Amino acid sequence: AQTVTQSQPEMSVQEAETVTLSCTYDTSESDYYLFWYKQPPSRQMILVIRQEAYKQQNATENRFSVNFQKAAKSFSLKISDSQLGDAAMYFCAYRSHYTGANSKLTFGKGITLSVRP
Amino acid sequence: DGGITQSPKYLFRKEGQNVTLSCEQNLNHDAMYWYRQDPGQGLRLIYYSQIVNDFQKGDIAEGYSVSREKKESFPLTVTSAQKNPTAFYLCASSRAGGERTDTQYFGPGTRLTVL
Repeated sequence: AQTVTQSQPEMSVQEAETVTLSCTYDTSESDYYLFWYKQPPSRQMILVIRQEAYKQQNATENRFSVNFQKAAKSFSLKISDSQLGDAAMYFCAYRSHYTGANSKLTFGKGITLSVRP
Repeated sequence: DGGITQSPKYLFRKEGQNVTLSCEQNLNHDAMYWYRQDPGQGLRLIYYSQIVNDFQKGDIAEGYSVSREKKESFPLTVTSAQKNPTAFYLCASSRAGGERTDTQYFGPGTRLTVL
């Protein structure tokens, strides 16, 4: 079974600075997808970024980028130029390439990010 | 607007009662999912459905039931057999074919409290 670990429960960053959120996972599969979701106080889960494991290039979405290290099974999220609206809980999630029962997302426990003005 | 709606936003249940949480999507997605979120925890899968009239148990299906009579709708019933139902419930959907079938999109959630 796959597991996702987010070992830092909380982090804080100064507005306009850069912060990196860590995530590690465990799987025996070679093809899969990884995601970062953001959950603001409204509790709506919002997709931030996705990475396909077969792609070596790290995904980027505006101020958000990932550092995907497949051999190390590490998937960190970097937020550049942090804004007050980035304050939220961030979840790392894993999904198998295969369908059926493996189409579920496996989530880490999340990290609460606060942004200081 | 295309999206996923869940109702109600807040739901209170007395012990021994069954309650049904609604999830509707107009994204034309084939697959739908129900997750449960507890404080300090990530989301855990309750049930999922990849096609109308078919659904499968997830990791924590005990005490829950679902139906999938229409592509757009995937209601979740929390039965009296669920020992600890107080939680935040999230519905999600994804495509079953074409691009980005791996990506799930979430509704706004329902907070269920047992009195």
